[in-house]
Amino acid sequence: KNQVEQSPQSLIILEGKNCTLQCNYTVSPFSNLRWYKQDTGRGPVSLTIMTFSENTKSNGRYTATLDADTKQSSLHITASQLSDSASYICVVSPHQGSSYKLIFGSGTRLLVRP
Amino acid sequence: NAGVMQNPRHLVRRRGQEARLRCSPMKGHSHVYWYRQLPEEGLKFMVYLQKENIIDESGMPKERFSAEFPKEGPSILRIQQVVRGDSAAYFCASSDSRGWAGEQYFGPGTRLTVT
Repeated sequence: KNQVEQSPQSLIILEGKNCTLQCNYTVSPFSNLRWYKQDTGRGPVSLTIMTFSENTKSNGRYTATLDADTKQSSLHITASQLSDSASYICVVSPHQGSSYKLIFGSGTRLLVRP
Repeated sequence: NAGVMQNPRHLVRRRGQEARLRCSPMKGHSHVYWYRQLPEEGLKFMVYLQKENIIDESGMPKERFSAEFPKEGPSILRIQQVVRGDSAAYFCASSDSRGWAGEQYFGPGTRLTVT
Protein backbone atom coordinates (compact mmCIF):
# COMPACT_ATOMS: atom_id res chain seq x y z
CA LYS A 1 0.00 0.00 0.00
CA ASN A 2 1.28 3.44 -0.98
CA GLN A 3 2.17 5.73 1.89
CA VAL A 4 0.69 8.71 0.02
CA GLU A 5 -2.61 8.23 -1.82
CA GLN A 6 -4.21 10.90 -3.98
CA SER A 7 -7.66 11.30 -5.44
CA PRO A 8 -9.04 11.68 -7.96
CA GLN A 9 -6.52 10.22 -10.39
CA SER A 10 -7.66 12.67 -13.03
CA LEU A 11 -10.02 15.62 -13.24
CA ILE A 12 -11.43 17.79 -16.01
CA ILE A 13 -12.89 21.22 -15.20
CA LEU A 14 -13.91 24.29 -17.13
CA GLU A 15 -11.78 27.41 -17.07
CA GLY A 16 -12.75 29.70 -14.21
CA LYS A 17 -14.13 26.92 -12.00
CA ASN A 18 -12.70 25.85 -8.65
CA CYS A 19 -11.52 22.37 -7.71
CA THR A 20 -10.19 20.46 -4.71
CA LEU A 21 -7.66 17.66 -4.81
CA GLN A 22 -7.27 15.18 -1.96
CA CYS A 23 -4.31 13.48 -0.31
CA ASN A 24 -4.28 10.79 2.39
CA TYR A 25 -1.00 9.69 3.91
CA THR A 26 0.22 7.13 6.41
CA VAL A 27 3.77 8.47 6.86
CA SER A 28 4.32 9.04 10.57
CA PRO A 29 6.00 10.94 12.04
CA PHE A 30 6.55 13.46 9.31
CA SER A 31 8.47 16.68 8.98
CA ASN A 32 6.34 18.49 6.42
CA LEU A 33 3.81 17.99 3.64
CA ARG A 34 4.23 19.61 0.25
CA TRP A 35 2.19 20.07 -2.88
CA TYR A 36 4.02 20.17 -6.21
CA LYS A 37 2.88 21.03 -9.72
CA GLN A 38 4.40 19.03 -12.55
CA ASP A 39 3.86 20.13 -16.12
CA THR A 40 4.19 17.49 -18.83
CA GLY A 41 7.85 16.88 -19.59
CA ARG A 42 9.06 19.01 -16.69
CA GLY A 43 10.26 18.46 -13.15
CA PRO A 44 8.04 19.10 -10.10
CA VAL A 45 7.78 22.67 -8.82
CA SER A 46 6.88 23.37 -5.20
CA LEU A 47 3.56 25.14 -4.52
CA THR A 48 3.23 24.94 -0.72
CA ILE A 49 5.05 23.44 2.24
CA MET A 50 3.30 22.87 5.60
CA THR A 51 4.70 21.55 8.86
CA PHE A 52 2.53 19.28 10.99
CA SER A 53 1.48 22.27 13.13
CA GLU A 54 0.11 24.29 10.20
CA ASN A 55 -3.51 23.94 9.07
CA THR A 56 -3.48 25.99 5.91
CA LYS A 57 -1.06 27.65 3.51
CA SER A 58 -1.85 29.77 0.47
CA ASN A 59 0.13 30.60 -2.64
CA GLY A 60 -1.90 32.84 -4.93
CA ARG A 61 -4.87 30.85 -6.22
CA TYR A 62 -3.62 27.68 -4.51
CA THR A 63 -4.64 26.93 -0.92
CA ALA A 64 -3.47 23.80 0.87
CA THR A 65 -4.99 22.44 4.08
CA LEU A 66 -3.63 19.86 6.47
CA ASP A 67 -5.35 17.79 9.16
CA ALA A 68 -2.59 15.93 10.98
CA ASP A 69 -5.10 14.03 13.14
CA THR A 70 -6.85 12.40 10.19
CA LYS A 71 -3.68 12.43 8.05
CA GLN A 72 -5.42 14.24 5.21
CA SER A 73 -4.49 17.20 3.06
CA SER A 74 -6.23 19.02 0.25
CA LEU A 75 -5.23 21.46 -2.44
CA HIS A 76 -7.87 23.94 -3.53
CA ILE A 77 -7.47 25.81 -6.81
CA THR A 78 -9.68 28.82 -7.33
CA ALA A 79 -10.64 30.49 -10.63
CA SER A 80 -8.78 27.90 -12.67
CA GLN A 81 -6.78 28.91 -15.73
CA LEU A 82 -5.73 26.90 -18.77
CA SER A 83 -2.14 27.00 -17.48
CA ASP A 84 -3.24 25.08 -14.38
CA SER A 85 -3.43 21.94 -16.54
CA ALA A 86 -0.75 19.71 -14.99
CA SER A 87 -0.22 16.93 -12.48
CA TYR A 88 -0.50 17.93 -8.83
CA ILE A 89 1.52 15.83 -6.49
CA CYS A 90 1.25 15.45 -2.72
CA VAL A 91 4.64 14.81 -1.13
CA VAL A 92 5.44 13.93 2.47
CA SER A 93 8.82 14.54 4.03
CA PRO A 94 9.51 12.01 6.82
CA HIS A 95 10.87 12.87 10.25
CA GLN A 96 14.03 14.92 10.50
CA GLY A 97 16.46 12.03 10.35
CA SER A 98 15.59 11.27 6.75
CA SER A 99 13.44 14.21 5.74
CA TYR A 100 15.27 14.46 2.39
CA LYS A 101 13.71 11.13 1.29
CA LEU A 102 10.58 12.72 -0.09
CA ILE A 103 7.65 10.32 -0.48
CA PHE A 104 5.57 11.13 -3.55
CA GLY A 105 1.97 10.35 -4.34
CA SER A 106 1.09 9.35 -7.89
CA GLY A 107 -0.52 12.70 -8.55
CA THR A 108 -3.84 14.02 -9.83
CA ARG A 109 -3.87 14.94 -13.52
CA LEU A 110 -5.88 18.13 -13.94
CA LEU A 111 -7.12 19.30 -17.33
CA VAL A 112 -8.65 22.77 -17.55
CA ARG A 113 -10.79 23.23 -20.67
CA PRO A 114 -11.78 26.57 -22.21
CA ASN B 1 20.20 32.11 -12.36
CA ALA B 2 19.95 28.80 -14.16
CA GLY B 3 17.96 26.08 -12.48
CA VAL B 4 18.89 22.43 -12.17
CA MET B 5 20.10 21.15 -15.52
CA GLN B 6 19.88 17.56 -16.69
CA ASN B 7 21.15 16.00 -19.86
CA PRO B 8 20.37 14.35 -22.02
CA ARG B 9 16.62 14.99 -21.85
CA HIS B 10 15.93 11.79 -23.75
CA LEU B 11 18.15 8.73 -23.95
CA VAL B 12 17.57 5.52 -25.87
CA ARG B 13 19.68 2.47 -25.07
CA ARG B 14 19.56 -1.15 -26.19
CA ARG B 15 19.48 -3.86 -23.57
CA GLY B 16 22.95 -4.48 -22.17
CA GLN B 17 24.31 -1.01 -22.92
CA GLU B 18 25.30 1.59 -20.34
CA ALA B 19 23.35 4.75 -19.57
CA ARG B 20 24.99 7.85 -18.10
CA LEU B 21 22.71 10.61 -16.84
CA ARG B 22 24.10 14.00 -15.85
CA CYS B 23 22.85 16.58 -13.39
CA SER B 24 24.23 20.06 -12.79
CA PRO B 25 22.77 21.51 -9.57
CA MET B 26 21.69 25.09 -9.13
CA LYS B 27 24.51 27.55 -8.56
CA GLY B 28 25.59 27.45 -4.93
CA HIS B 29 23.94 24.09 -4.23
CA SER B 30 26.14 21.29 -2.95
CA HIS B 31 23.52 18.60 -2.26
CA VAL B 32 22.08 16.42 -5.01
CA TYR B 33 19.25 13.87 -4.96
CA TRP B 34 18.22 11.40 -7.65
CA TYR B 35 14.66 10.10 -8.06
CA ARG B 36 13.14 7.60 -10.49
CA GLN B 37 9.61 7.78 -11.86
CA LEU B 38 8.23 4.64 -13.46
CA PRO B 39 5.24 5.05 -15.81
CA GLU B 40 2.03 5.89 -13.94
CA GLU B 41 3.85 5.97 -10.59
CA GLY B 42 5.15 8.65 -8.25
CA LEU B 43 8.80 9.62 -7.96
CA LYS B 44 10.88 7.31 -5.77
CA PHE B 45 14.03 8.37 -3.89
CA MET B 46 17.23 6.70 -5.08
CA VAL B 47 20.31 8.44 -3.67
CA TYR B 48 21.50 11.55 -1.84
CA LEU B 49 24.98 12.92 -2.50
CA GLN B 50 27.15 15.79 -1.39
CA LYS B 51 30.35 16.77 -3.16
CA GLU B 52 32.55 13.65 -3.27
CA ASN B 53 30.33 11.79 -0.77
CA ILE B 54 27.38 9.42 -0.98
CA ILE B 55 25.20 10.22 2.01
CA ASP B 56 22.33 7.77 1.48
CA GLU B 57 21.96 5.27 -1.36
CA SER B 58 19.26 3.19 0.29
CA GLY B 59 16.83 3.68 -2.59
CA MET B 60 19.20 2.59 -5.31
CA PRO B 61 19.28 -0.98 -6.66
CA LYS B 62 22.39 -2.71 -5.36
CA GLU B 63 23.52 -3.95 -8.74
CA ARG B 64 24.17 -2.10 -12.01
CA PHE B 65 23.39 1.36 -10.54
CA SER B 66 25.95 3.81 -9.23
CA ALA B 67 26.07 7.54 -8.58
CA GLU B 68 28.78 10.09 -8.01
CA PHE B 69 29.11 13.82 -7.43
CA PRO B 70 32.76 14.76 -8.01
CA LYS B 71 34.49 17.84 -6.71
CA GLU B 72 34.31 19.35 -10.18
CA GLY B 73 31.59 18.74 -12.72
CA PRO B 74 28.06 17.38 -12.68
CA SER B 75 26.60 14.52 -10.70
CA ILE B 76 26.40 11.30 -12.72
CA LEU B 77 23.89 8.47 -12.40
CA ARG B 78 25.26 5.42 -14.17
CA ILE B 79 23.25 2.35 -15.11
CA GLN B 80 25.22 -0.59 -16.46
CA GLN B 81 23.77 -3.35 -18.63
CA VAL B 82 20.37 -1.69 -18.86
CA VAL B 83 17.22 -3.81 -18.96
CA ARG B 84 13.71 -2.91 -20.17
CA GLY B 85 12.59 -2.35 -16.55
CA ASP B 86 15.04 0.55 -16.28
CA SER B 87 12.89 2.56 -18.69
CA ALA B 88 11.71 5.52 -16.63
CA ALA B 89 12.11 9.23 -16.05
CA TYR B 90 15.07 10.06 -13.81
CA PHE B 91 14.90 13.35 -11.94
CA CYS B 92 17.67 15.14 -10.15
CA ALA B 93 17.09 17.73 -7.41
CA SER B 94 19.49 19.98 -5.56
CA SER B 95 19.46 21.91 -2.31
CA ASP B 96 21.70 24.48 -0.68
CA SER B 97 24.03 24.23 2.29
CA ARG B 98 21.15 23.49 4.65
CA GLY B 99 21.18 20.04 3.08
CA TRP B 100 18.15 17.98 3.98
CA ALA B 101 16.53 21.00 5.65
CA GLY B 102 16.63 23.02 2.47
CA GLU B 103 14.11 23.10 -0.32
CA GLN B 104 14.79 20.65 -3.15
CA TYR B 105 14.65 22.12 -6.65
CA PHE B 106 14.04 19.66 -9.46
CA GLY B 107 15.49 19.43 -12.93
CA PRO B 108 13.43 18.61 -16.04
CA GLY B 109 14.37 14.93 -15.95
CA THR B 110 15.98 12.44 -18.32
CA ARG B 111 13.63 10.01 -20.01
CA LEU B 112 15.40 6.70 -20.53
CA THR B 113 13.97 4.21 -22.98
CA VAL B 114 15.50 0.75 -23.18
CA THR B 115 14.72 -1.13 -26.38
